[in-house]
Amino acid sequence: AQSVTQLDSQVPVFEEAPVELRCNYSSSVSVYLFWYVQYPNQGLQLLLKYLSGSTLVESINGFEAEFNKSQTSFHLRKPSVHISDTAEYFCAVSRAGGTSYGKLTFGQGTILTVHP
Amino acid sequence: EAQVTQNPRYLITVTGKKLTVTCSQNMNHEYMSWYRQDPGLGLRQIYYSMNVEVTDKGDVPEGYKVSRKEKRNFPLILESPSPNQTSLYFCASSLYLGPTYNEQFFGPGTRLTVL
Repeated sequence: AQSVTQLDSQVPVFEEAPVELRCNYSSSVSVYLFWYVQYPNQGLQLLLKYLSGSTLVESINGFEAEFNKSQTSFHLRKPSVHISDTAEYFCAVSRAGGTSYGKLTFGQGTILTVHP
Repeated sequence: EAQVTQNPRYLITVTGKKLTVTCSQNMNHEYMSWYRQDPGLGLRQIYYSMNVEVTDKGDVPEGYKVSRKEKRNFPLILESPSPNQTSLYFCASSLYLGPTYNEQFFGPGTRLTVL
């Protein structure tokens, strides 16, 4: 079984400041790692994913996350946030390879609020 | 447009009144799943289905039923809703199960309030 812990429930930040949303996971098997974003009153959108290969993955809107196997972490970062980044962010894992049932295990969510 | 649709989007009901939340996808996906989202708990899987007539429990199945009679539809049934089922519900689907990754696509969500 997998578990995910997002270390901050809320992160307030000023516009153009850097931000890091922290995510740690636990699993006895190899996993895929994901960050989803949920804008106010909307559904979930996949922001970025780590499947294999380079441990640093990037999204089209400037976010990046780094898979750290030794620390079992997958923190999300952005060097300069915008008001439009205000949303709730979810870290998630799923079992990698084998016969996967596709189940995503989510963290508790981190509400990022960007202030002008 | 490829999408997962859910109906209704908002529902207020009373304890004990049976209800169904529909989920439909137009991507010919085999795998479908229901999650509920609660503050501070993230999303938790209720039920999933690997194909027509194949369903199984997720982490929080109590109080829910599902069926998969057609590939495109995966309704969530609450036979006797209770206030602790007040939540935001998401349906998701992905192409097929196997050793390689397939992205899950989420519906827009259904906000359910049980009084």
